[in-house]
Amino acid sequence: DTGVSQDPRHKITKRGQNVTFRCDPISEHNRLYWYRQTLGQGPEFLTYFQNEAQLEKSRLLSDRFSAERPKGSFSTLEIQRTEQGDSAMYLCASSLLDGQGTYEQYFGPGTRLTVT
Amino acid sequence: AQTVTQSQPEMSVQEAETVTLSCTYDTSESDYYLFWYKQPPSRQMILVIRQEAYKQQNATENRFSVNFQKAAKSFSLKISDSQLGDAAMYFCAYRSLGNTPLVFGKGTRLSVIA
Repeated sequence: DTGVSQDPRHKITKRGQNVTFRCDPISEHNRLYWYRQTLGQGPEFLTYFQNEAQLEKSRLLSDRFSAERPKGSFSTLEIQRTEQGDSAMYLCASSLLDGQGTYEQYFGPGTRLTVT
Repeated sequence: AQTVTQSQPEMSVQEAETVTLSCTYDTSESDYYLFWYKQPPSRQMILVIRQEAYKQQNATENRFSVNFQKAAKSFSLKISDSQLGDAAMYFCAYRSLGNTPLVFGKGTRLSVIA
């Protein structure tokens, strides 16, 4: 168990560019979550997956955002035409859901996005 | 929709002393989970303690304990014998049943003074 990993850890981009982040969950975890955390705030939910199915998207997730988890393992979060307001820490978390109960969400180190 | 409120943006405590961080929440659900997460500077978020709403007994993990008041919708965290390594942002979080997404408060920044 190597924990949740995210890549890159830091990304600086110019307004209008597209960016893509990757999250690798803990290997046996079937649920994967994306959150966004701005300075001085708690994380806010963006979207989550069970295996490859995207179960819910927050109203925070505008049309410029898209997330995938094509094989039920790693996930990508893409932001098109970035805006300065997209500058934030993007956190990924994973958990295991089975019939015996609920399990904790384990967080990755995050990807810090700065849009200039 | 559920909301979580942390009314203390910053707190400080002397090393070896005890500090209590406050959290209130709003929900119409009867069964749910509450959590305290710790986020050290430039490090990832880790779970400190968890409370199931159906349990009357307050959760305890070593130096960390909670005071869960379901009727008052209050969920405070007590840290005993504070250590320098406890300095971090602490987030209170709510989760419905079934591993749904977490709802976080804005956090409390805890400083530990040597």
